[in-house]
Amino acid sequence: GQNIDQPTEMTATEGAIVQINCTYQTSGFNGLFWYQQHAGEAPTFLSYNVLDGLEEKGRFSSFLSRSKGYSYLLLKELQMKDSASYLCAVRSRSGGYNKLIFGAGTRLAVHP
Amino acid sequence: GAGVSQSPRYKVAKRGQDVALRCDPISGHVSLFWYQQALGQGPEFLTYFQNEAQLDKSGLPSDRFFAERPEGSVSTLKIQRTQQEDSAVYLCASSPNPGNLYGYTFGSGTRLTVV
Repeated sequence: GQNIDQPTEMTATEGAIVQINCTYQTSGFNGLFWYQQHAGEAPTFLSYNVLDGLEEKGRFSSFLSRSKGYSYLLLKELQMKDSASYLCAVRSRSGGYNKLIFGAGTRLAVHP
Repeated sequence: GAGVSQSPRYKVAKRGQDVALRCDPISGHVSLFWYQQALGQGPEFLTYFQNEAQLDKSGLPSDRFFAERPEGSVSTLKIQRTQQEDSAVYLCASSPNPGNLYGYTFGSGTRLTVV
């Protein structure tokens, strides 16, 4: 079956660094995505990993270890606007197309 | 269009009523997905279209749910005889092709409340 686990909630202080972990067990693995979703809004793309290692993109970095079924999203220099849900999603290939399978999301609250 | 457009933005339905939710994907996008997102949860896959062909409907919760994309562009998700457990945000996403490298563009969703 498909299983994606991430913490339900996290809190952090403005200006700090926070790491959001994600573990997964899926078939047909074809990449891992992180999305940000503010309340009442659409998920927006943050990062994508298909090979092991770290991908850095400004204040956001994402890491993948395929052998461990593990990823994390690292947010640096936290700002109040980073308060949102962060969705870990695995792209699974089956039947000739790719499908995104989402975790339940991690709600991040950034405090002054 | 510039993004994925969904309508209506909000829908309140009485239990037992039929509803139709519309998705206008980005022009030219081949792949179209519907997801259901319950409060405090991640999006759950419902169905997938490649052009007008519905290749996967394994996520549809019951035979009350029906989706179509007759001309390979606009898609409609129909829910018959709505139940309270159908209350959720319904998200539509599109991508240029099935092998899209960077993921999908999501619409803002339709929030369905069944009373």
